[in-house]
Amino acid sequence: NAGVTQTPKFQVLKTGQSMTLQCAQDMNHEYMSWYRQDPGMGLRLIHYSVGAGITDQGEVPNGYNVSRSTTEDFPLRLLSAAPSQTSVYFCASSPARTSGGDNEQFFGPGTRLTVL
Amino acid sequence: GENVEQHPSTLSVQEGDSAVIKCTYSDSASNYFPWYKQELGKRPQLIIDIRSNVGEKKDQRIAVTLNKTAKHFSLHITETQPEDSAVYFCAPRDSNYQLIWGAGTKLIIKP
Repeated sequence: NAGVTQTPKFQVLKTGQSMTLQCAQDMNHEYMSWYRQDPGMGLRLIHYSVGAGITDQGEVPNGYNVSRSTTEDFPLRLLSAAPSQTSVYFCASSPARTSGGDNEQFFGPGTRLTVL
Repeated sequence: GENVEQHPSTLSVQEGDSAVIKCTYSDSASNYFPWYKQELGKRPQLIIDIRSNVGEKKDQRIAVTLNKTAKHFSLHITETQPEDSAVYFCAPRDSNYQLIWGAGTKLIIKP
């Protein structure tokens, strides 16, 4: 099992550009989520999904879109990048339909995004 | 929504000594309390968790204690080792089943 994979590892964008961060998991987990982590801070939830075809907003959803057409993939789209979106982005998955449930959240390696 | 605070923000201990990190939360409906460890440049990884019907859980040198009345839970690391140096996050689950993350505690183990 590859676990949770994310691409790219690093990305530099100019203000106004759009891009998609990819996330995939091969553990057949129902729950997937996207977080951002700013320096010296905890993780903030952007969007999450409790199963294919179902997505919902987290704490900081503005400027981001998601879709969940398959169980395996959960891409995050930045619509028009802004310097405030410079951060490290983590994708996570969990076997439970609810966040964490009583089960562990498995994280991808992260994508370090810089917006100039 | 859930308000989560961790203390201290930085903790420096001598190798071999114990470390304790405290997490307070506000949602009385929270019933799942995990601790994650994040090494520099790496992803967070679960190290221990506890459910609300249990007061304490141990796993070798790591333990978590829960006080639901006071709405706090703590991470205890005994016989600290250099590899324990990392940032530790608490992330209690709120009534909407989302993990709400604390700001983290940087643990420094001095040789």
